[in-house]
Amino acid sequence: QSALTQAPSASGSPGQSVTISCTGTSSDVGGYNYVSWYQHHPGKAPKLVIYEVSKRPSGVPDRFSGSKSGNTASLTVSGLQTEDEADYYCSSYAGNNNWVFGGGTKLTVL
Amino acid sequence: QVQLAESGGGVVQPGRSLRLSCAASGFSFSNHAMHWVRQAPGKGLEWVALIWYDGSLKYYADSVKGRFTISRENSENTLYLQMSRLRVEDTAVYYCARAHGQHFDSWGQGTLIIVSS
Repeated sequence: QSALTQAPSASGSPGQSVTISCTGTSSDVGGYNYVSWYQHHPGKAPKLVIYEVSKRPSGVPDRFSGSKSGNTASLTVSGLQTEDEADYYCSSYAGNNNWVFGGGTKLTVL
Repeated sequence: QVQLAESGGGVVQPGRSLRLSCAASGFSFSNHAMHWVRQAPGKGLEWVALIWYDGSLKYYADSVKGRFTISRENSENTLYLQMSRLRVEDTAVYYCARAHGQHFDSWGQGTLIIVSS
């Protein structure tokens, strides 16, 4: 069982928005503004899409946005495109040089 | 362009040892801390270990502490993970990732380790 809880699947049609949630505890997600999100196409290198809750790395479309409330972080993908279909993982710093991840959410673009 | 390439994966019997390598290019390797992260089949990602930019500090997940050793050779732009006393539950794809703050800003494609008799 992963330290952070994510729904196993999510879906949306092209052009729609979808939100993926990531629930932790006050020792990780709730305790630090160090939540990050990764897009992973199987067989390829994971890619950072959001860091420090809501910041976007250079080159990541502004269709990707992040937020946090209490112990739950969220990734929203707006204007869904077929290339957004991938697995998405959240991560949080958990203190004492320890990091935790979620179990991943498979995003399907219908 | 940052590139990370893991190697050294394969099939190994329980109790044996294996060393993974991660070749880095496209950035100043000696200026960055580095992580190992793994993903067991059908499971989520799991943080494994961190080494500071100069190798002076190392941190491990409880699940591998005392069995795995992270190291680096900055003159060769290479990160290592020495794995000993391997268990079936260590079966996973192992990724190296560059540290940036408290996140992982670049990843390799991973190398698969299967621990099986």
